[in-house]
Amino acid sequence: DVKVTQSSRYLVKRTGEKVFLECVQDMDHENMFWYRQDPGLGLRLIYFSYDVKMKEKGDIPEGYSVSREKKERFSLILESASTNQTSMYLCASSPSSGSSYNEQFFGPGTRLTVL
Amino acid sequence: QKEVEQDPGPLSVPEGAIVSLNCTYSNSAFQYFMWYRQYSRKGPELLMYTYSSGNKEDGRFTAQVDKSSKYISLFIRDSQPSDSATYLCAMSARTGFKTIFGAGTRLFVKA
Repeated sequence: DVKVTQSSRYLVKRTGEKVFLECVQDMDHENMFWYRQDPGLGLRLIYFSYDVKMKEKGDIPEGYSVSREKKERFSLILESASTNQTSMYLCASSPSSGSSYNEQFFGPGTRLTVL
Repeated sequence: QKEVEQDPGPLSVPEGAIVSLNCTYSNSAFQYFMWYRQYSRKGPELLMYTYSSGNKEDGRFTAQVDKSSKYISLFIRDSQPSDSATYLCAMSARTGFKTIFGAGTRLFVKA
């Protein structure tokens, strides 16, 4: 059974803290993504990576950075957490562009609250 | 204007009803159209996929794409309480290209 796992289901942090969200996939996928999901706004892409050590900005990268040192692991970093980063964070992976369509496999999400 | 528009609902229907979920989009380059289903406290999972225009049927689910109107639909026949979830439309211009998601429609099917 294919799987994308995220390090925490729920996280509470204080304003100004550095926050690490970890994502691991076991499907040997080249592409990995970080989204945030907010009511009425849907899924918004923060960053994605199409290979180890490669990263591309998505639509809302401000205040975030990412790290991909190994193919199976993609980390999202909030350099200095702020209350407007309170959200559900979803990690996803997909095979390379050689696949016939763009199915993405999602993790269960991390609900982050910044106080 | 958002690239993909989707009514967030909620949509509440009785068990056995036919459900129609819809999205409109503005980018005529989109060719791949998908529907994801997201249960509460879970990540989205791909439900249906369609390439270009036309219909696709899978059991009780039918996906329709009308590229001339930039309009896609998901129909659920004989809806069940287990269909209660958020349904997100998604689309992309080509394989491996960025996927744009709708906001999602929350569906409740009452027993």
